[in-house]
Amino acid sequence: GAVVSQHPSRVICKSGTSVKIECRSLDFQATTMFWYRQFPKKSLMLMATSNEGSKATYEQGVEKDKFLINHASLTLSTLTVTSAHPEDSSFYICSASKGAQETQYFGPGTRLLVL
Amino acid sequence: AQRVTQPEKLLSVFKGAPVELKCNYSYSGSPELFWYVQYSRQRLQLLLRHISRESIKGFTADLNKGETSFHLKKPFAQEEDSAMYYCALSGRAGGTSYGKLTFGQGTILTVHP
Repeated sequence: GAVVSQHPSRVICKSGTSVKIECRSLDFQATTMFWYRQFPKKSLMLMATSNEGSKATYEQGVEKDKFLINHASLTLSTLTVTSAHPEDSSFYICSASKGAQETQYFGPGTRLLVL
Repeated sequence: AQRVTQPEKLLSVFKGAPVELKCNYSYSGSPELFWYVQYSRQRLQLLLRHISRESIKGFTADLNKGETSFHLKKPFAQEEDSAMYYCALSGRAGGTSYGKLTFGQGTILTVHP
């Protein structure tokens, strides 16, 4: 149990376009979902925390207009990278938990390459 | 601010040898510490958390508040333990809320036959 999926697993897009990444909890209801970014050979950096039905809380330095997060249901959160640029190329990982203080279950990640 | 430091990027041991992956943290409140593991081509998964005081796959970790450390230990390493290990902290200080994880840089453990 406690499986989290992400779609797509990898995406290549042109600079200036927007890309949507989905994060789904397959067998549990995720009250809270987290979005992380991981640079090559670097640690995971938390971008934002989203609670179902409310606005996401962004970490300092993360542009909320650039990285749109929607958590409209208890099993789905989406991250939209708007007007993507090459510097947005990265590995994006989501996690989901049954509550803010509960164990986080991680998705497999999405590799984004912006040309 | 909360910070997690894993001083070793790479750690190599031989099968059957003891292994210790170091983790130090900086946090003003009451922390919750975790170890996550990522095997090759797999997703990040929870290995253990200090509040449960479990031993998973032979690994243990003790929270030492005096030394602000949460080192991961295993007395006899196995080849299948080769993976990336992340130490992580969750807590609350200032406006930060519980549940948010701060990760260390990670340590790549290689267990040689």
